[in-house]
This record gives sequence, structure tokens and C-alpha cells, in this order.
Amino acid sequence: DTEVTQTPKHLVMGMTNKKSLKCEQHMGHRAMYWYKQKAKKPPELMFVYSYEKLSINESVPSRFSPECPNSSLLNLHLHALQPEDSALYLCASSQGGHPYEQYFGPGTRLTVT
Amino acid sequence: RKEVEQDPGPFNVPEGATVAFNCTYSNSASQSFFWYRQDCRKEPKLLMSVYSSGNEDGRFTAQLNRASQYISLLIRDSKLSDSATYLCVVNIDGGATNKLIFGTGTLLAVQP
Repeated sequence: DTEVTQTPKHLVMGMTNKKSLKCEQHMGHRAMYWYKQKAKKPPELMFVYSYEKLSINESVPSRFSPECPNSSLLNLHLHALQPEDSALYLCASSQGGHPYEQYFGPGTRLTVT
Repeated sequence: RKEVEQDPGPFNVPEGATVAFNCTYSNSASQSFFWYRQDCRKEPKLLMSVYSSGNEDGRFTAQLNRASQYISLLIRDSKLSDSATYLCVVNIDGGATNKLIFGTGTLLAVQP
């Protein structure tokens, strides 16, 4: 079973709101990822957690705050977002070792008003 | 030069056609290569990993040429359901991290 789940599916938030995106996998994967995808563009990596520790932050603005409470869960906390942050936010997971095959969740479609 | 480059597309082909996508990558130390497909407004789904010897899965064949830093995907007997964006994906730093770089994707439209 290669299932990654994400909630919510859709989210509309104002620029002063605080919200969180959630991701869960039960495949025993030890690496988890957040990506941002704008329309007609490829996914862009935001964060990587490896063995529950943040290993890569792709210079993401601090209004995005990731959290990995345990090896199955990954959160992305959102605060004071801008309209240009509207995008599809994808979570992925992988076993953590070569060859790094990543499996994606269905994404959260975020609109910032 | 972009780290991963793909044919821009779109490719419009009739059902039953054979279509090939190409991809080049910039880092000769790259170790892992993949093709993903992404349907409109959906998540990317792993189609195939690409191995040095080349590999085949039904109608899909992937090839890797390390000397030319070139990856290809061949789809035979195209079906309407193959219509999607095909993303070439490379682990760009030789395995030092599990960071993948995505190409911009090639849109395939299979026509009845």
C-alpha cells in the first residue's frame, strides 16, 4: 500500500489567519517532504524531514513552519500568508534510502484571500 | 543550463501511436532517475524508476544513457488514458541527500 493522506483537500484562508496542513503515511517511510506546486509548473521542494529531523529547508519564508511529531505525521503550519502563496501543497514520503522513490499524497489546494 | 530539461511538448498523438519523451540532466553524479505522470489537478504518481540497463513495464520502456546524461520514456500503443503530463525526475546530488529535482514536464494528449 503506497498511500499518503493529506487533510484538508481544500483550504481558503485570509492573510491574517493561522491554519495547518496535515499529512500521514503508514508505510514505515523515514523521510517526508513538503512541496509547493503552482499551475502548469513542476513541484518545488520546500522541506525534507529525515528520521523526524529537518534535513532540508529550501529557503522557505518563515510564514511556513513545518513540524514532524512522529515518523508517520507531517504538519505544515501557515501564518500571515500572501495571495501568491496560493498553490497546491503536496506531501510525499520515501523509505529514506536509495533510490529515493517518493510517493505523493493528493495535496491540499490552498487559496489565500 | 537547467538541472533537468525536458521536451516542452505538448505532444498530440492518435490512439495506438508510439511516442517518446526525452530528458537531460546536468549533474553527472546523479544516481536515481524516475518518470512520474501527473493528471490535471492531481498529484504526481510514480510511473517508473529508470535503471542503467533500461527497464520495461508493459507498454512503457525507460532508458538511461549516463554518458550523454540522457533519459527517455517510450510509450507504445498509446491509450486515451495515457493523456497526462510526464515528469522527468532526478536525484541531482549523487545521493548525498534525498532531494529530487523535477523537470517542467511534457504534456501528452492522446486523440481518439
